[in-house]
Amino acid sequence: RKEVEQDPGPFNVPEGATVAFNCTYSNSASQSFFWYRQDCRKEPKLLMSVYSSGNEDGRFTAQLNRASQYISLLIRDSKLSDSATYLCVVGSSGYSTLTFGKGTMLLVSP
Amino acid sequence: NAGVTQTPKFQVLKTGQSMTLQCAQDMNHEYMSWYRQDPGMGLRLIHYSVGAGITDQGEVPNGYNVSRSTTEDFPLRLLSAAPSQTSVYFCASRAPSVGELFFGEGSRLTVL
Repeated sequence: RKEVEQDPGPFNVPEGATVAFNCTYSNSASQSFFWYRQDCRKEPKLLMSVYSSGNEDGRFTAQLNRASQYISLLIRDSKLSDSATYLCVVGSSGYSTLTFGKGTMLLVSP
Repeated sequence: NAGVTQTPKFQVLKTGQSMTLQCAQDMNHEYMSWYRQDPGMGLRLIHYSVGAGITDQGEVPNGYNVSRSTTEDFPLRLLSAAPSQTSVYFCASRAPSVGELFFGEGSRLTVL
């Protein structure tokens, strides 16, 4: 089993749609969780950290289920500018090791 | 705000040539790292450093060397380039006890 696995995608959705990305991780000792966004031919950038209680940032909601070793990202009211690849990242204690998933591509169309 | 600066942005090498990818950050981050990104493989850690004078291997270190003589700079050396090293290379840094990685814009390397 790969350390961090994501939906392969791509996800093609119309503007205004709600889309959810899933991510599972294999190391039960993992302590930190993030979603990064990577635009085409650009560097990854932090979208949001994921906290145990779940957290929201505008149209974006992240959830963590430690028992199932599962992370999710929900995007509401999709915009054209949300088109990108979303990377799930899982870290060990103290962030000494950060493992990236392969990413899920999102394409939002008019 | 310069952040993390990588050079060159593009490079074409012939098999067997050597080269150095430069990385510099101006955020006084102790932690710096090099990743490579290949289609279908995601980002994979090559080498990392937790401070000047300290380096360690990541997931795919073979064929690469690093050094960290200053806090600001973390160059990646390809000793004898191979076609399998054709990839996009990202340098990243972060502050202690903070998970957010700041990436450079990437260096696209092609080995013929």
